[in-house]
Amino acid sequence: AQTVTQSQPEMSVQEAETVTLSCTYDTSESDYYLFWYKQPPSRQMILVIRQEAYKQQNATENRFSVNFQKAAKSFSLKISDSQLGDAAMYFCAYKKSGGGADGLTFGKGTHLIIQP
Amino acid sequence: ETGVTQSPTHLIKTRGQQVTLRCSSQSGHNTVSWYQQALGQGPQFIFQYYREEENGRGNFPPRFSGLQFPNYSSELNVNALELDDSALYLCASSLNPSGFTDTQYFGPGTRLTVL
Repeated sequence: AQTVTQSQPEMSVQEAETVTLSCTYDTSESDYYLFWYKQPPSRQMILVIRQEAYKQQNATENRFSVNFQKAAKSFSLKISDSQLGDAAMYFCAYKKSGGGADGLTFGKGTHLIIQP
Repeated sequence: ETGVTQSPTHLIKTRGQQVTLRCSSQSGHNTVSWYQQALGQGPQFIFQYYREEENGRGNFPPRFSGLQFPNYSSELNVNALELDDSALYLCASSLNPSGFTDTQYFGPGTRLTVL
């Protein structure tokens, strides 16, 4: 079974600086998707960024970018120019591609604190 | 805002009771998934419904059951509640169960407390 590991329970960064959140995963599949979700205190899980495993190019969404290392099974999230609104729990998630209904497999999350 | 809504926001039940949670999918989405998120943990997949049928299930016992209706709204039913069922229950909708368009969009969740 696939697993997702987030080794940083909590990270703190100064406003306007850059922070990187780590995620590793374990799977025997060759084709899959990876996601980062943000969960603020309001509890609603918000999609931040997604990556298709067959794509070598790292995904980017404005201030958010990923470093996807397929061989190392690593999928880190970089947040540039951190803002107070970025404070939240961040979850890394995996999903096998090619149909099926396995659902998302989540890590335990990283609590991101933004220092003003 | 994702367009996915859930009700109620909070719920308190006692051990042994039954509970029904509701979810309204984002417009145009035909697949709904349910997740249980215990305090301090990531969400865990309960099951998924596609075109009114369960087509995938995580490691949850049969007392967790669901329904999906023709308008793609959904219910999660939990029988014989246990203390460990206390959690945030998240509903997520997506367009179809395969392909890259399977990105799931989450509702705000229902906080269930079992006493």
